[in-house]
Amino acid sequence: EPEVTQTPSHQVTQMGQEVILRCVPISNHLYFYWYRQILGQKVEFLVSFYNNEISEKSEIFDDQFSVERPDGSNFTLKIRSTKLEDSAMYFCASGRDGDYGYTFGSGTRLTVV
Amino acid sequence: RKEVEQDPGPFNVPEGATVAFNCTYSNSASQSFFWYRQDCRKEPKLLMSVYSSGNEDGRFTAQLNRASQYISLLIRDSKLSDSATYLCVVIDLGGGGNKLTFGTGTQLKVEL
Repeated sequence: EPEVTQTPSHQVTQMGQEVILRCVPISNHLYFYWYRQILGQKVEFLVSFYNNEISEKSEIFDDQFSVERPDGSNFTLKIRSTKLEDSAMYFCASGRDGDYGYTFGSGTRLTVV
Repeated sequence: RKEVEQDPGPFNVPEGATVAFNCTYSNSASQSFFWYRQDCRKEPKLLMSVYSSGNEDGRFTAQLNRASQYISLLIRDSKLSDSATYLCVVIDLGGGGNKLTFGTGTQLKVEL
């Protein structure tokens, strides 16, 4: 079964440092997403990416966040200057279209210290 | 009002029991509906889509009531392996985004 692959599985970084979270979506999918889940809370939408551009972003996705799909396969989330409150599980997801649901990667646990 | 609302539980049920979860959503223009399952510290996994006509997948039955903006999930003959958090998910189509809006989840614990 096709998978969404995320690396690394766990990243620890110091406050103020830049981090890049990487994802390889399923190859024939057209919609790409980043979500995050703070421990004990619900899954929250960050950003959607379609046709090589951001199609929607949430209030959480401020100027410190950016996404890229540089080579047609990888999909990255960059946080420029991490804060303690950025500590969360970050999930990448991809989908073919809105009717079939989406497949999530196993997540990157980001810990900001 | 929360966009997608669920009873957080936990629902503690014996093996073999039937259990039902409910979910309400606030946006009447929502177009697609799903139940996801999330195990502790794992990613959400699609359990099933939800259609107005109702749909069944083995021991799982999902139902959508658009008039009441209400979604349900019924699990029959529950197994220990059904223990997880069940997430009600809604998609508001349009704008090229098709983002998923998650409920907080309902925790199920199936016991011997």
